[in-house]
Amino acid sequence: AQKITQTQPGMFVQEKEAVTLDCTYDTSDPSYGLFWYKQPSSGEMIFLIYQGSYDQQNATEGRYSLNFQKARKSANLVISASQLGDSAMYFCAMRGSGGYQKVTFGTGTKLQVIP
Amino acid sequence: EAGVTQSPTHLIKTRGQQATLRCSPISGHTSVYWYQQALGLGLQFLLWYDEGEERNRGNFPPRFSGRQFPNYSSELNVNALELEDSALYLCASSWGAWGARIDEQYFGPGTRLTVT
Repeated sequence: AQKITQTQPGMFVQEKEAVTLDCTYDTSDPSYGLFWYKQPSSGEMIFLIYQGSYDQQNATEGRYSLNFQKARKSANLVISASQLGDSAMYFCAMRGSGGYQKVTFGTGTKLQVIP
Repeated sequence: EAGVTQSPTHLIKTRGQQATLRCSPISGHTSVYWYQQALGLGLQFLLWYDEGEERNRGNFPPRFSGRQFPNYSSELNVNALELEDSALYLCASSWGAWGARIDEQYFGPGTRLTVT
């Protein structure tokens, strides 16, 4: 069974500062993928970044980077230089390998960027 | 390229009625996923269709059902609506489910279902 844990229900960050959103996971799959999504108040889910379990380097996409520590089973999202538009819910998700594997989402972290 | 589309945007039903929600995936995507997001909660996986077949199902009662059509669009049906079914229902699509490829899901804007 897959499990995603996001222990921070809400966080505040000052504009232009960096912020780390925590995500830990549990799976017995040898190969898996980790995702982060952003959900603004409008409701749509926006894909941010992906990390494969066998990727040698941590994923980066613009201001987003994923701090992947496989031994600790953590996949924290780092947002650098926070902007007011970053205020949203952020969800960590995981998908196992092979067929019939659904994506499991965490409960999310609400990030509020303060001017 | 058009994204995932869902209809209707909002749906208001009374308890006991049936609701039908629709989703059109991105062109070329064969997998469609349905999620329920109740107020203040994360996404709960509902159903996953690929190539017209149900591949996996979340922990929801049988009154939540759906299907995938030959053009890969999908329908979610909720029978005997209950007040707690009020939620945002999100549809997502991806290239496919087979093999070791792990790819991201692209989400639609959602259908907000309100049960009164």
